[in-house]
Amino acid sequence: DAKTTQPTSMDCAEGRAANLPCNHSTISGNEYVYWYRQIHSQGPQYIIHGLKNNETNEMASLIITEDRKSSTLILPHATLRDTAVYYCIVRGSNFGNEKLTFGTGTRLTIIP
Amino acid sequence: DVKVTQSSRYLVKRTGEKVFLECVQDMDHENMFWYRQDPGLGLRLIYFSYDVKMKEKGDIPEGYSVSREKKERFSLILESASTNQTSMYLCASSTSGRGDNEQFFGPGTRLTVL
Repeated sequence: DAKTTQPTSMDCAEGRAANLPCNHSTISGNEYVYWYRQIHSQGPQYIIHGLKNNETNEMASLIITEDRKSSTLILPHATLRDTAVYYCIVRGSNFGNEKLTFGTGTRLTIIP
Repeated sequence: DVKVTQSSRYLVKRTGEKVFLECVQDMDHENMFWYRQDPGLGLRLIYFSYDVKMKEKGDIPEGYSVSREKKERFSLILESASTNQTSMYLCASSTSGRGDNEQFFGPGTRLTVL
């Protein structure tokens, strides 16, 4: 699986959009970009994933660059409950490649 | 609502004890995973299973074994617990056969080995 690079930490004001970047320059054509987050003392929670196109769900939007070498997770109106560690993961789509490789993620702090 | 449950949130054991961590999922998922999480190291995969009675080593299997006798249950076994196995243990499950399937995680078991 391709390696990802994320900033160690970020702050965002409550109510503003939080934009979390991720670089995955060695991503291959059949690899998906996944985002998970982990709130303190809980298990990781799935947020969103995508292959080529931008994606949106009730939690967030995922913007993937045209060359697929980087992506941005957007939380449109951050709340205090969004304070967590956010993980960007690249994973292949082949059968037998379901495992996730977590890096150290970005610690996002929402400031009141 | 999908659910992955783990037998204990907190566990304290002594060095040399045999430890069982249990994980149960109610989503009829084929895949199940055990991770451990340590400060500064992120989540690391210990073992995973694609089907009943099948298991595959992850990145750090040493000192651990697993058992999957039923589809919904995946057990992690520490044959002889050591202090360096003090950690947060996380279980996850996912469907199989699709290229883009998310993993659902349990709440974690914080194990302390004294």
